[in-house]
Amino acid sequence: DTEVTQTPKHLVMGMTNKKSLKCEQHMGHRAMYWYKQKAKKPPELMFVYSYEKLSINESVPSRFSPECPNSSLLNLHLHALQPEDSALYLCASSPTGPGTDNSPLHFGNGTRLTVT
Amino acid sequence: QKEVEQNSGPLSVPEGAIASLNCTYSDRGSQSFFWYRQYSGKSPELIMSIYSNGDKEDGRFTAQLNKASQYVSLLIRDSQPSDSATYLCAVKTGGFKTIFGAGTRLFVKA
Repeated sequence: DTEVTQTPKHLVMGMTNKKSLKCEQHMGHRAMYWYKQKAKKPPELMFVYSYEKLSINESVPSRFSPECPNSSLLNLHLHALQPEDSALYLCASSPTGPGTDNSPLHFGNGTRLTVT
Repeated sequence: QKEVEQNSGPLSVPEGAIASLNCTYSDRGSQSFFWYRQYSGKSPELIMSIYSNGDKEDGRFTAQLNKASQYVSLLIRDSQPSDSATYLCAVKTGGFKTIFGAGTRLFVKA
C-alpha cells in the first residue's frame, strides 16, 4: 500500500472542463512533486513544492496550476487541457532537512487522465 | 543536458535466470542512484537505492555503482515471471531534481 494517496484514479475531461487532481501524504515529508508520464516514457518533472512554497516549475503551460494548501496536501488544477495532455499524473513526496539530500521519491498510485 | 541512458529492451530471460539491467549517466556530480520497478499502468515503486561505489544486495536484487565509469546496474537473481516490468534507473542530480532513464522492459518467461 502506498503512503501517498492520489484521487481520482481515473479522470476523463473535455477540453473546456475544469478539474483538479489531489494528492495527500502523512509521512511528514515537506517536499511534494507533480510528474507527468506518457506511455512508454519516463516520468517528467512538472512542479516541486518545498515547505508549501513553489520551488520548481519546469516551464509547464499555465493550463496546469499547482497548489499546496498545507504540508500534507498537493493539488493540480486543470483547465482548458488539450488531448495531448492525456497521461498518467504522478504525485510524489520526499523528506527534507539535514541528511535527506539522498532520499528517494515516494510515488502515489497516479491519476490516469484522458482529455477528449 | 543531464541524461540517464538505458537500453529500452525488451530484455527476455527464462525463469530462474539472472537478469542484468544497465544504466549510464552524464552528470559526474550525481550522488544518489535509484532503481524503480513499474508495472504496466501502475506507478513507479522503489526497489533499490545506492550511493557509494560497489555492490549493494537486498534479497534477489543487487545494485552496482561505478562512479568513475558513470555506470549503474541492477542484477535480479532467480528471476520470476512476477519480475516482468519496466525498470527505471533514476539519478538525483542535486536539490529536488531526479532524472529518470527511459526504462528497460524485462520479460521473464515461465
